[in-house]
Amino acid sequence: AQRVTQPEKLLSVFKGAPVELKCNYSYSGSPELFWYVQYSRQRLQLLLRHISRESIKGFTADLNKGETSFHLKKPFAQEEDSAMYYCALKDSSYKLIFGSGTRLLVRP
Amino acid sequence: SAVISQKPSRDICQRGTSLTIQCQVDSQVTMMFWYRQQPGQSLTLIATANQGSEATYESGFVIDKFPISRPNLTFSTLTVSNLSPEDSSIYLCSVTGTGLYEQYFGPGTRLTVT
Repeated sequence: AQRVTQPEKLLSVFKGAPVELKCNYSYSGSPELFWYVQYSRQRLQLLLRHISRESIKGFTADLNKGETSFHLKKPFAQEEDSAMYYCALKDSSYKLIFGSGTRLLVRP
Repeated sequence: SAVISQKPSRDICQRGTSLTIQCQVDSQVTMMFWYRQQPGQSLTLIATANQGSEATYESGFVIDKFPISRPNLTFSTLTVSNLSPEDSSIYLCSVTGTGLYEQYFGPGTRLTVT
């Protein structure tokens, strides 16, 4: 079954600390994975997609097929990073399957 | 990227009534989807809105409860019928452009059923 798991509902760190938001997936095929972010009172927006291998706002995510993971990382968290983060998998019919989300809270 | 608007942005409806949500995109898009986000939950796909034909529903969602129209490549509606308090959610429209790589989301419609 296709599934995306985000084990942490809430991750709280201090400003300047490293951040890792965990995401594991289950998919019988070649996965296409994304991280979406939702800041307070804003719409859901794309943060990263694994095929582009880019760094956005200091965040990176590497697809590890052996561990079926796509963890989101940032070396130094900023207060403006506080938001809801969703990991998502796109299936062969272009539908997105979302994880349950992790709320990141960056404390000053 | 596509610019997506939804109407209404929020509504409070009585039990047993229906609400129709509109999704308008500023450019022609290949695929349109409707998602539901229940309070404190993640997003769940309701259906894929197909242009000129019946929508494709996900398991647990039926046409009688969630009729969908997509008359052209830039517009779709979702109706939530026979409302009950359990339908209180945010409903989101999303689209995929011609590249089919990314999905863009509308601002959502917050529905409260009393």
